Amino acid sequence: DAKTTQPPSMDCAEGRAANLPCNHSTISGNEYVYWYRQIHSQGPQYIIHGLKNNETNEMASLIITEDRKSSTLILPHATLRDTAVYYCIVRVSRPSGSARQLTFGSGTQLTVLP
Amino acid sequence: NAGVMQNPRHLVRRRGQEARLRCSPMKGHSHVYWYRQLPEEGLKFMVYLQKENIIDESGMPKERFSAEFPKEGPSILRIQQVVRGDSAAYFCASSPLAGHLRGAEAFFGQGTRLTVV
Repeated sequence: DAKTTQPPSMDCAEGRAANLPCNHSTISGNEYVYWYRQIHSQGPQYIIHGLKNNETNEMASLIITEDRKSSTLILPHATLRDTAVYYCIVRVSRPSGSARQLTFGSGTQLTVLP
Repeated sequence: NAGVMQNPRHLVRRRGQEARLRCSPMKGHSHVYWYRQLPEEGLKFMVYLQKENIIDESGMPKERFSAEFPKEGPSILRIQQVVRGDSAAYFCASSPLAGHLRGAEAFFGQGTRLTVV
């Protein structure tokens, strides 16, 4: 799986959009970009994933650059409850055997400020 | 549809005792993963199991740790002769059969926090 690079921390004002970047310059053609978050002391929560097209769901939007070397997770109207560590993970979507597990990096600590 | 259930949520053991952590995957999920999160650190993969089979245990410590996922019942992570360094949060995740890949790849439980005193 390709390595990802994320800033260690970011702040965002409540009600504003939070834009979390992720670099994955070594991503290969069959690797997807996944985002999870971990609110303090809880289990990781799936947010969104995508291959090359931009994706949107009820939680967030995922913007992937045309060359797929980087992506941005967008929380359109951040709330205090969005304060969490956000993990960007690159992985083959239909792996077999030992490649099925997710590899978590250090993530970005997003703090939403009142 | 209940989520991934882990119990106990908190477990205190004295050094040298055994710890048993249980994980019931989501209904219909036959893949289970265990992760460990040491204090102030990220999640580290430990083991991946399917029913009655260990698929990948590359993240498991070589000694004292074992995992199983029997045909019936929850998956068990067992730590024998616990030491203070085993104190951590242990998370379980489950995912469906390989054909159901739309949406979340893995759903996580709320974890078991093991404290060794």
